Amino acid sequence: EAQVTQNPRYLITVTGKKLTVTCSQNMNHEYMSWYRQDPGLGLRQIYYSMNVEVTDKGDVPEGYKVSRKEKRNFPLILESPSPNQTSLYFCASSLLFPDTQYFGPGTRLTVL
Amino acid sequence: KNEVEQSPQNLTAQEGEFITINCSYSVGISALHWLQQHPGGGIVSLFMLSSGKKKHGRLIATINIQEKHSSLHITASHPRDSAVYICGITGNQFYFGTGTSLTVIP
Repeated sequence: EAQVTQNPRYLITVTGKKLTVTCSQNMNHEYMSWYRQDPGLGLRQIYYSMNVEVTDKGDVPEGYKVSRKEKRNFPLILESPSPNQTSLYFCASSLLFPDTQYFGPGTRLTVL
Repeated sequence: KNEVEQSPQNLTAQEGEFITINCSYSVGISALHWLQQHPGGGIVSLFMLSSGKKKHGRLIATINIQEKHSSLHITASHPRDSAVYICGITGNQFYFGTGTSLTVIP
């Protein structure tokens, strides 16, 4: 089944404890992206990757890192999480850019 | 700054009604996207369009590039259409509106 998977789906952590949210797609898509969704602010793009080894900042990249070493995976790294990074995170992919986006199921992160 | 504005923010309709959700944007775009987010949180892409009109079942999306405006129409609405509808634009990256929460009452 064609899909975008994210893990974990739910995570509660404490300030400063490094974490990684994984994202993987099995559709051979070139473009991948991370978004956060907050009430009243909607979806905001954190980082995106046009293809392997090429990543760029979105609207809200501060406090996040990404890597795209292989086409299928695009992990989101929070080196030192803070409470203002408590949010719902979505990974998405598309064959090219711009193109129809396929979204992962979301990761609900709480930073205490 | 909000590159994308949606209206209305909330909408309640009776089953069977014709529904329109509007999206205005302020920058040049390569494409406009309509997404649907159900109460469980999952997001599905409904349309991507750069001109004219697209139809899928009871859903119709239109765009007017000159006026920087798009509309999403739902004909013969049904309670299962209850969801948040999100408009997004792509220039060199994605920008999204804050969504329109639709409730269709039986």
